[in-house]
Amino acid sequence: GDSVTQMEGPVTLSEEAFLTINCTYTATGYPSLFWYVQYPGEGLQLLLKATKADDKGSNKGFEATYRKETTSFHLEKGSVQVSDSAVYFCALSGQAGTALIFGKGTTLSVSS
Amino acid sequence: GAVVSQHPSRVICKSGTSVKIECRSLDFQATTMFWYRQFPKQSLMLMATSNEGSKATYEQGVEKDKFLINHASLTLSTLTVTSAHPEDSSFYICSAREGQTGELFFGEGSRLTVL
Repeated sequence: GDSVTQMEGPVTLSEEAFLTINCTYTATGYPSLFWYVQYPGEGLQLLLKATKADDKGSNKGFEATYRKETTSFHLEKGSVQVSDSAVYFCALSGQAGTALIFGKGTTLSVSS
Repeated sequence: GAVVSQHPSRVICKSGTSVKIECRSLDFQATTMFWYRQFPKQSLMLMATSNEGSKATYEQGVEKDKFLINHASLTLSTLTVTSAHPEDSSFYICSAREGQTGELFFGEGSRLTVL
């Protein structure tokens, strides 16, 4: 079945460091790919998404490119801030309207 | 953006009792809602899909008689954990799909602790 694998955390960075969180997926067909963020004490929020190969999703300085050839959707940010500290989930949706399949989440901790 | 509200955010109950968790879409109609369970340091596991006015579809391994789901209106779905036991302690999250755009919105989650 469809699945998502993302790098184990926690990831600990200093402010202004470059961030990469790896995410790879297994799916039949052409899934849509998502990154969600969960700040402490809050629910999941959609960070960015891409619906087809080579699409780049971006938001709040974060980017991820849908790479079909490598079945990847790595999350990147050029300069992280303390306020980016959260848990990040990679997810896919195999078909429109179906439930999301999530990776295990990666905890990011940014210190000043 | 659209808001999904879950209530209660935290609940502690005794073993053997039942607990109801509500999931409401506050400013949109949700034709479909999903219930997830999240264990510490693990991913969100889909428990069931509920469509308004019909029976929920449960994922394999999820006991439908233990986790009762009702989706009585386009803005409300409830999850009832019946005869709760300590192993049911977990973080339960609902997600609602907005009918027109199909976008998914998540509730803040409900942490259940069964003593």
